[in-house]
Amino acid sequence: DAGITQSPRHKVTETGTPVTLRCHQTENHRYMYWYRQDPGHGLRLIHYSYGVKDTDKGEVSDGYSVSRSKTEDFLLTLESATSSQTSVYFCAIRKASGEYNEQFFGPGTRLTVL
Amino acid sequence: GQQLNQSPQSMFIQEGEDVSMNCTSSSIFNTWLWYKQDPGEGPVLLIALYKAGELTSNGRLTAQFGITRKDSFLNISASIPSDVGIYFCAGHHTGANSKLTFGKGITLSVRP
Repeated sequence: DAGITQSPRHKVTETGTPVTLRCHQTENHRYMYWYRQDPGHGLRLIHYSYGVKDTDKGEVSDGYSVSRSKTEDFLLTLESATSSQTSVYFCAIRKASGEYNEQFFGPGTRLTVL
Repeated sequence: GQQLNQSPQSMFIQEGEDVSMNCTSSSIFNTWLWYKQDPGEGPVLLIALYKAGELTSNGRLTAQFGITRKDSFLNISASIPSDVGIYFCAGHHTGANSKLTFGKGITLSVRP
C-alpha cells in the first residue's frame, strides 16, 4: 500500500464543464504523476510533478492542467471536459530516490464525459 | 510517443501451466518494471530490475532484465486463477526526471 487515494472514484459530467480530480498521498514523496488509461493505448502520461509548484507536461497534456500547492496533493483539472477525455485516470507516486523510478499507483478515477 | 512492445494482446492458459511473456524495445533502458492490474484497480508493481542480466523472483514470478537492455521477460509458474489480469512492462531511462515508458499490456486468462 503506497498510501495513495484518489477522489472522486467515479464521475459523470457533461461536455464543457470543468472537472478536478484529486490525488492525495500520505508519505511525502517528491514525484507524483497523472496517467490516463484507454483501451488500445495503455497508460499515457498527462502531467507530472517533481515538487511543490514544479510540474511538467507528459505526452497527452492538451486539455489538462495540474497544480501542486502541497506535497501531499496533486490536482488534475479538465478546464472544459470533452468526450475524448472519457477515461480512467490514475495517479502515481515515485517511492525510491536517485536514478530509480519505481512508481506506485492509486486506485483510479473513472470519468465519463457525456 | 515511444511504446514498449508486448505481444500477444491476450493469452489463455490452463491452471497449473507456466506462462512466459516478454517486452521489447528499440532503445536501451536502465530499469525494467513489471506490473499487474486487476479489473477496476490500479496497476500493482510485481518486480523491478536494475541490471542487465539480472534475474529476480517474487514467489511464483520470475523476471529477467535482458542482456541487451532492450528487453525483459516475465515468467509465471504453476498458474492459479488469481493470476488473471493485465500484465504491463515499463522501462526507464537514466535521469531523475525521466519518465516511464509502458507497454500496452497482455491480458492473461487462466482456465480452471
